[in-house]
Amino acid sequence: GQNIDQPTEMTATEGAIVQINCTYQTSGFNGLFWYQQHAGEAPTFLSYNVLDGLEEKGRFSSFLSRSKGYSYLLLKELQMKDSASYLCAVRDSNYQLIWGAGTKLIIKP
Amino acid sequence: ETGVTQTPRHLVMGMTNKKSLKCEQHLGHNAMYWYKQSAKKPLELMFVYSLEERVENNSVPSRFSPECPNSSHLFLHLHTLQPEDSALYLCASSQEMGQGADTQYFGPGTRLTVL
Repeated sequence: GQNIDQPTEMTATEGAIVQINCTYQTSGFNGLFWYQQHAGEAPTFLSYNVLDGLEEKGRFSSFLSRSKGYSYLLLKELQMKDSASYLCAVRDSNYQLIWGAGTKLIIKP
Repeated sequence: ETGVTQTPRHLVMGMTNKKSLKCEQHLGHNAMYWYKQSAKKPLELMFVYSLEERVENNSVPSRFSPECPNSSHLFLHLHTLQPEDSALYLCASSQEMGQGADTQYFGPGTRLTVL
């Protein structure tokens, strides 16, 4: 079967750096997405990786290793507004999005 | 401007009621999606429409009935629901289904409670 694994919850301190991991086993691979979802709000697109390596976008970076079936989202200079759930999703060989259950990130002052 | 809107934002209904959820996208996209989001579970894809034609129905019970009258509007008609159907129902749209980098944009969802 297809599976996306990410930690259920993480806690970090304001101003620090946090890395949220995502591992996947899917039938084929056509890209990996990260979304941010604040409580009671829509998931919003953060990043897309299809080639190995690091993609940097301001305070957020996303890394992909296709051979290891692994990605991470790196958040720097954490702010209280970064408290949210972070969803990892992989597009499989049928171009379907397979979703992880999300990682709830709690930022403490 | 909000790209994808959903109404109502909250809905409480009895098991014998009939109600409809509405989604509208203002992005000029060709594909629209209904998802179910339950606590601590992955998003569950329910229905996919591309150019107003249904292309995916992931074994969803018949008490959920989608309708896509045009590429900007999507409805989810609900009848005789069960308490386990209580969840957040998310609508999304994307430019072109089947492309690797095709990004889905979500509405804020309808929080549904079935009593």
